[in-house]
Amino acid sequence: ETGVTQTPRHLVMGMTNKKSLKCEQHLGHNAMYWYKQSAKKPLELMFVYSLEERVENNSVPSRFSPECPNSSHLFLHLHTLQPEDSALYLCASSQLRGGRASTDTQYFGPGTRLTVL
Amino acid sequence: QQPVQSPQAVILREGEDAVINCSSSKALYSVHWYRQKHGEAPIFLMILLKGGEQKGHDKISASFNEKKQQSSLYLTASQLSYSGTYFCGTEKVLDDYKLSFGAGTTVTVRA
Repeated sequence: ETGVTQTPRHLVMGMTNKKSLKCEQHLGHNAMYWYKQSAKKPLELMFVYSLEERVENNSVPSRFSPECPNSSHLFLHLHTLQPEDSALYLCASSQLRGGRASTDTQYFGPGTRLTVL
Repeated sequence: QQPVQSPQAVILREGEDAVINCSSSKALYSVHWYRQKHGEAPIFLMILLKGGEQKGHDKISASFNEKKQQSSLYLTASQLSYSGTYFCGTEKVLDDYKLSFGAGTTVTVRA
């Protein structure tokens, strides 16, 4: 299943670096999501894009900057990160109908394992 | 606000049963269940939409008690392939497109 792909799979960066995570979905979905998954903690929703418009920014620090140029691509631009930002970053997509999450499942990518030194 | 899952971890022998619970303090519209194996993406198991609804997939089934704002996932006659971390994602009545995920329950099935 290659419905949602993410690159890179692993990333190590210093606190002064700038990098970007890329997500691509091949499912024709109209919504895309960024989640942060830290050890022993629940999945944290970071951003939601519906029809390429950001509909949610869950109080995420400005050092994380999302970009959704079209319905198939989602980026997460990173700059001046902190060591506590080290985590697995998961992208997901779904087909929202009537604005309800319950109408379709979210399909997750394999994630990018980010380590901030 | 994230739902609360219990137990945090469970160890089973092949063929044994287990129950994973997910509860919320808010009124729920739906509950989604996922399983994630180490180093892999979470995989969808099922969605429960209605109060009192039950669903099954092979020997994994779930129930949703809308009034109690709870869902339970049942692993019956567990197989080695059932090992992984199980997450519930809850959709609140007032948060239509968002899922809040529990911390997960790690299931280890041993031969």
